[in-house]
Amino acid sequence: GAVVSQHPSWVICKSGTSVKIECRSLDFQATTMFWYRQFPKQSLMLMATSNEGSKATYEQGVEKDKFLINHASLTLSTLTVTSAHPEDSSFYICSARDAVGGASGPLHFGNGTRLTVT
Amino acid sequence: AQTVTQSQPEMSVQEAETVTLSCTYDTSESDYYLFWYKQPPSRQMILVIRQEAYKQQNATENRFSVNFQKAAKSFSLKISDSQLGDAAMYFCAYRALIQGAQKLVFGQGTRLTINP
Repeated sequence: GAVVSQHPSWVICKSGTSVKIECRSLDFQATTMFWYRQFPKQSLMLMATSNEGSKATYEQGVEKDKFLINHASLTLSTLTVTSAHPEDSSFYICSARDAVGGASGPLHFGNGTRLTVT
Repeated sequence: AQTVTQSQPEMSVQEAETVTLSCTYDTSESDYYLFWYKQPPSRQMILVIRQEAYKQQNATENRFSVNFQKAAKSFSLKISDSQLGDAAMYFCAYRALIQGAQKLVFGQGTRLTINP
């Protein structure tokens, strides 16, 4: 089956530093990837939609300059949390849409990244 | 705005019994998809079942089935013969073209406990 690899699975960083999270589709091409944030015991909140070769589309309330998204290839999207602060500590999950099937292509989720900012 | 509501924060059921998780959604779209995802403690999102809005027949996947009521905008999940491995957070999700892009919107989740 389709696999999405998200790395790292767990990261601890100091306040003020930047952290990059990678989302890779291993056996399919993904023209679109989605980034979600999940606080403890809460639902997944869509942060942004990442489109290969173009700028990401951010949801209302999500700071573009703080959460930098790059989707440079059909198999890789990255989320960089810049100048991280403790309130950015959360669980970040990516999902990738299989290009086969177009806009209705199936979505596959990564295993998530737990970010802790100290 | 498209919203998904799960009114049951927690549910519990005896092993081997049947449990139904509720979900309602609000939309003005006519073409959309509905999903139930399972999130175990590992936090991996696992697709349980999917329903296309244009299909009247309720989707089924082994012990999992849905009751899709389009007019009422209701999409409940029934788990039959509950097993210990079914314990997890369950999220109802709606997917449609929103502001020119396909998006997946999740409900608040229901934590399901299976009692042995």
